Amino acid sequence: EVQLLESGGDLVQPGGSLRLSCAASGLTFSRYALSWVRQAPGKGLEWVSGISGSGGRTYYADSVKGRFTISRDNSKNTLYLQMNSLRAEDTAVYYCAKIGGYCDSTACYNWGWAYDYWGQGTLVTVSS
Amino acid sequence: DIVMTQSPDSLAVSLGERATINCKSSQSVLYSSNNKNYLAWYQQKPGQPPKLFIYWASTRESGVPERFSGSGSGTDFTLTISSLQAEDVAVYYCQQYYSTPHTFGQGTKLEIK
Repeated sequence: EVQLLESGGDLVQPGGSLRLSCAASGLTFSRYALSWVRQAPGKGLEWVSGISGSGGRTYYADSVKGRFTISRDNSKNTLYLQMNSLRAEDTAVYYCAKIGGYCDSTACYNWGWAYDYWGQGTLVTVSS
Repeated sequence: DIVMTQSPDSLAVSLGERATINCKSSQSVLYSSNNKNYLAWYQQKPGQPPKLFIYWASTRESGVPERFSGSGSGTDFTLTISSLQAEDVAVYYCQQYYSTPHTFGQGTKLEIK
């Protein structure tokens, strides 16, 4: 079974940095695009960033562009989010999520960037 | 950016009755080359991550009860629960994945009347 486990959330001061990790198991990691989605306390979902299976293509929300960097290490089955110049409005639970779909021995089938597996999330609090 | 607007913000329905949640996108999410609507629905319960229920606007994810259905095309979409059960109490989100950023609606809180 696919499992995603985020870590790295913490209390950090405004202007500080943090790196989140998402360790994946139960899948051929490099075959799947992944994203980070966040949820501020008591609020809705906000898509943050996405990355292709190879890592060659990355995408960002305007709210984090230039401050956050998504990356992945396919040899370690791990997704990362480097967050710099953190602001109070970045306070949220950060989820990693896998693109919907599956791969068999011959091909991969996906249903676009609709996410079929999510981690439990890691809390980032930006406050002085 | 494509703006997703859900209605209503909250909804109270009696057990066994139909529940309908609407989602409108600021521009079409129908990709003409494959005739697919890049629209998903998620259910989120307190303290849990979201769970994918519907993708391509109308395809139920594996394991999702048949009482859940998605419909619509272009800019207007609907999630329907044909007969509300107690375990369906949750917040429901629509999401477009036609273009980045892959925006979500603000959520609809579904409760029992």
